[in-house]
Formats: sequence, structure tokens, C-alpha cells
Amino acid sequence: EVQLVESGGGLVQPGGSLRLSCAASGFTFNRNAMHWVRQAPGQGLLWVSRIHKDGSSTTYADSVKGRFTISRDNAKNMLYLQMNSLRAEDTAVYYCAGDQGGLGDVWGKGTTVTVSS
Amino acid sequence: DVVMTQSPLSLPVTLGQPASISCRSSQSLVHSNGNTYLNWFHQRPGQSPRRLIYRVSNRDSGVPDRFSGSGSGTDFTLKISRVEADDVGVYYCMQGTQWPPYTFGQGTKLEI
Repeated sequence: EVQLVESGGGLVQPGGSLRLSCAASGFTFNRNAMHWVRQAPGQGLLWVSRIHKDGSSTTYADSVKGRFTISRDNAKNMLYLQMNSLRAEDTAVYYCAGDQGGLGDVWGKGTTVTVSS
Repeated sequence: DVVMTQSPLSLPVTLGQPASISCRSSQSLVHSNGNTYLNWFHQRPGQSPRRLIYRVSNRDSGVPDRFSGSGSGTDFTLKISRVEADDVGVYYCMQGTQWPPYTFGQGTKLEI
């Protein structure tokens, strides 16, 4: 079964850091790019970041550039998102998503990040 | 950035009747390689999104043939031939042609 499982979310103070993880199984992880997409409470979907299948290239939304870092470990079938200098507006459910035939062939259930004092 | 505009934002439907959602992009979504990277997603309340359609008109595995996608250039449509109760939720279009960033529409809430 194709599966993505996110972890690492939680409550953090403004200015703090979190590292999200996404464990992939049931498919050839190193065959495709991977993404992080977030959804603020009651809002729509917002693309956050993309990483090439071999990790050689990364791209970010302007709102997170310079604060977030995406990475992957293909040997462990893991995707990561290091989030620094967190702001209240980063509060959201964070999803990892695959990229077979384009973004979003597979999604995790998400992990919730709350930035609040 | 490419802006994706969906209409309507709210779509009341009757079971068994057809439904249609429009998605327009601010720029052409035809890639230099000839492909058009326009996807449709469905998100039920409290669940993750699920991709229904990729590259305008290709149904993902397990997606009922009641769902169909069409369009070209800047105008795209998702059609449901006969709405079922399980179809409630929010539908999003998304472009992956001119990135970064990948951009989503605002979402269309379908309710029975």
C-alpha cells in the first residue's frame, strides 16, 4: 500500500523551530520529486516546497524562503522540512505529497503545526 | 505567479444530477514540452486531499468515470456526471506548469 506518514508537528512559540518528517512506503521513493503543502485553519491549500528526486534541487514559496529547508534521505525513504523563525501565520496542517504525473498523486494525513505564545 | 480562479465557490447540487466546476488561470498552462499541468483534487471534511485528475483529463487510479476533466490554455472544467453523497467536500484545481510556485484555486465547496 502506498503511504506517506507525517510527524513532528506541535505547538511552538513564535521564533521557534520544528522539524517535520514524512515516512514513505509502498512505492519507489527516489523515482520522483516530493512536496510539502500546507493548509491554514479553514483555508485552502498552499504549496510550500519541492525537492528533486535525488535532492539536487529545491524550491520554496516566497513566504517560507530563507526560513524553511526541505531535504530527503532516499536510503531511508524519508522527507523532511526544517522550519525556523516560525511565525503565527505558519500555523497550519502540513502535508507531504508525491509527484507522479505531477504534484499530489499521494498525500499523507498531515501533521499540525501551531505557532503561538 | 499564476493565479487560479474557480467558480462557483459554493455549489449546491441534487443527488443524481450533474455538476460542473470552472477553473481559469491568469496565464496559459501549456508547458514548452506541450503538456498542460492542470490537476483537480477533492478534499472531504477532515481528510487529506485526493487527486482526481492530472494533466487536464487523466483520471487517477480508482477515480470513478463519473468524474471528467477538460479544457485547454487558460480555461478548464471538472464535471461530475451524476453526483453521489460521497462527492461532498471541497474541490481544488492546481497548476504545475509555471512553478515556483505551484498554485491552487480557492476551492469550490460542493454540498448536497
